[in-house]
Amino acid sequence: DTGVSQDPRHKITKRGQNVTFRCDPISEHNRLYWYRQTLGQGPEFLTYFQNEAQLEKSRLLSDRFSAERPKGSFSTLEIQRTEQGDSAMYLCASSWGAVGEREKLFFGSGTQLSVL
Amino acid sequence: GENVEQHPSTLSVQEGDSAVIKCTYSDSASNYFPWYKQELGKGPQLIIDIRSNVGEKKDQRIAVTLNKTAKHFSLHITETQPEDSAVYFCAASIANAGGTSYGKLTFGQGTILTVHP
Repeated sequence: DTGVSQDPRHKITKRGQNVTFRCDPISEHNRLYWYRQTLGQGPEFLTYFQNEAQLEKSRLLSDRFSAERPKGSFSTLEIQRTEQGDSAMYLCASSWGAVGEREKLFFGSGTQLSVL
Repeated sequence: GENVEQHPSTLSVQEGDSAVIKCTYSDSASNYFPWYKQELGKGPQLIIDIRSNVGEKKDQRIAVTLNKTAKHFSLHITETQPEDSAVYFCAASIANAGGTSYGKLTFGQGTILTVHP
């Protein structure tokens, strides 16, 4: 399967702990996105990479959140000092860079974070 | 910023009936409108999309219509089947300052579609 892969699928942590999620995009895709989805809501944009460059960050992404894509392939999303409000599904998506294709997102199955 | 409203929040139909989900957007600069299907435990999957220079697009049992003047777009599913049961999301995208579209999408709140056999 060459789809978007996310790890772990589930993460339970205590408030105040740090967590890190990994995303492996489709190999030909140079664009990578992180979204957050809470129960009963649509996904919300967090941040966007083109190759290794982080080109945009949402105001939702507080300074406790950091995302990297060091070699333009996989990406990590770290949340420091987790809060209960961080509980959500964190979705990664990727897309091609070709005109007419870059908006078409392929999503992974997400990492479900529960902060106790 | 862009705001997307989606209705209804739940939709129940009998197998074989049609289903229609409607969305409105606020920013007239939006130029790309995809629809995603999300099944339990999975990420959203793109099922159809439409650009602002097109009024209608069809793919087998699925069609999308766009009314730019009214700033609304709709998903139509005909001959529904139980496997169509899922959560459906509409979304909208605005081109960046350079006029290039990319994957920063604003999603609606979702519609839970249930198709009864």
